[in-house]
Amino acid sequence: GENVEQHPSTLSVQEGDSAVIKCTYSDSASNYFPWYKQELGKGPQLIIDIRSNVGEKKDQRIAVTLNKTAKHFSLHITETQPEDSAVYFCAAFSGSARQLTFGSGTQLTVLP
Amino acid sequence: KAGVTQTPRYLIKTRGQQVTLSCSPISGHRSVSWYQQTPGQGLQFLFEYFSETQRNKGNFPGRFSGRQFSNSRSEMNVSTLELGDSALYLCASSLGRGPDQPQHFGDGTRLSIL
Repeated sequence: GENVEQHPSTLSVQEGDSAVIKCTYSDSASNYFPWYKQELGKGPQLIIDIRSNVGEKKDQRIAVTLNKTAKHFSLHITETQPEDSAVYFCAAFSGSARQLTFGSGTQLTVLP
Repeated sequence: KAGVTQTPRYLIKTRGQQVTLSCSPISGHRSVSWYQQTPGQGLQFLFEYFSETQRNKGNFPGRFSGRQFSNSRSEMNVSTLELGDSALYLCASSLGRGPDQPQHFGDGTRLSIL
């Protein structure tokens, strides 16, 4: 089945700096890659997603890049703010298994 | 527009009991998926329902089951509870079928087994 690895597990940045979280996947049939933000006591919130026919997608301060050849994708957050502090999860949808497989999460802390 | 609603938010049970969790999807959403979240195993897919039919199932024992009603609301049942079933159970809904559609999560039901 699909295996998704996410790094780093914890990340601390100064307010205003950029943050990058990286994920790799194993199933070459995976074609949909969402990113979720989970705040304490809340469910995951979809923040951006990308499909395999696109290499990059941007939404204001958030961007995702996908390298199908290398089977990895990354989340980039620019001009970080304290409210960006949360746990971020990447996920990959495998067309063969027809389910989302999640990474282990990254605890992002933005220091004021 | 109301989000995904899960009830109850917290539940305490003892080993051997059974439990039923409820999920009301966003209005108009027809697909409901269930996930288990634990510190050790992370987020794991349980099953997906679309048009009252289970479309896919993750790698969980038969003690975990679910159903979907004609109004798209869904319930999940766990029988013969074990200590390892303690987790946050999350429900997600999407407009179209399949987890490759943007999924919207509820805030979960925190299940504790004593």
